[in-house]
Amino acid sequence: DIQMTQSPSSLSASVGDRVTITCRASQSITNYLNWYQQKPGQAPKLLIYAASNLQSGVPSRFSGSGSGTEFTLTISSLQPEDFAVYHCQQSYSNSPLTFGPGTKVGIE
Amino acid sequence: QITLKESGPALVKPTQTLALTCTFSGFSLSSRGVGVGWIRQPPGKALEWLGLFHWDDDTRYSPSLKRRITITKDTSKNQVVLTMTNMDPVDTATYFCVHRPEMATTRGGFDVWGPGIMVTVSS
Repeated sequence: DIQMTQSPSSLSASVGDRVTITCRASQSITNYLNWYQQKPGQAPKLLIYAASNLQSGVPSRFSGSGSGTEFTLTISSLQPEDFAVYHCQQSYSNSPLTFGPGTKVGIE
Repeated sequence: QITLKESGPALVKPTQTLALTCTFSGFSLSSRGVGVGWIRQPPGKALEWLGLFHWDDDTRYSPSLKRRITITKDTSKNQVVLTMTNMDPVDTATYFCVHRPEMATTRGGFDVWGPGIMVTVSS
């Protein structure tokens, strides 16, 4: 299995802050890396696919980068609606597809 | 507009078989490259991929669960059914069905999710 890790597991930030979350894969997944946002009681929502491509309708303050084994999700200016849990997912291998443990972005 | 919705029992007893139905609209599961998958999330824990039914009837399962799960489709009803045998309290989770477009679109990302259904396993 390809193991996914995320850091930090949680963070506190203020509105307007720049926030960066890191996701690492246990082996190279080229750019088969996707990011999701999940708010309490809701299903996850696709934010970024293929490491750096913004899903339709997602605000441009979200961006993704990386390749191989290390990836980052950046929120350039945190907004009140961005407080949520962020998950990364590799789609390089479907035996199995795997998710990271999640990063909770809370209010400072 | 693509939508998916999960349905099934909210409570099952240990050792019973769970059957969940995903009813979808806005796309055809016969379209090249399209898939419908199942993902679950125990309370407060990470997402876990269970399996994926592809447009060409190819079905992939999580190796850790493949002995217990089956995913089938009912084309006439636009439904995909997840069956999981020998349920245990550790299987308590919210179960989501998801749409996966062809790989060239989102490189395997799941672009539309159902709202999820909470399933509790308890006697």
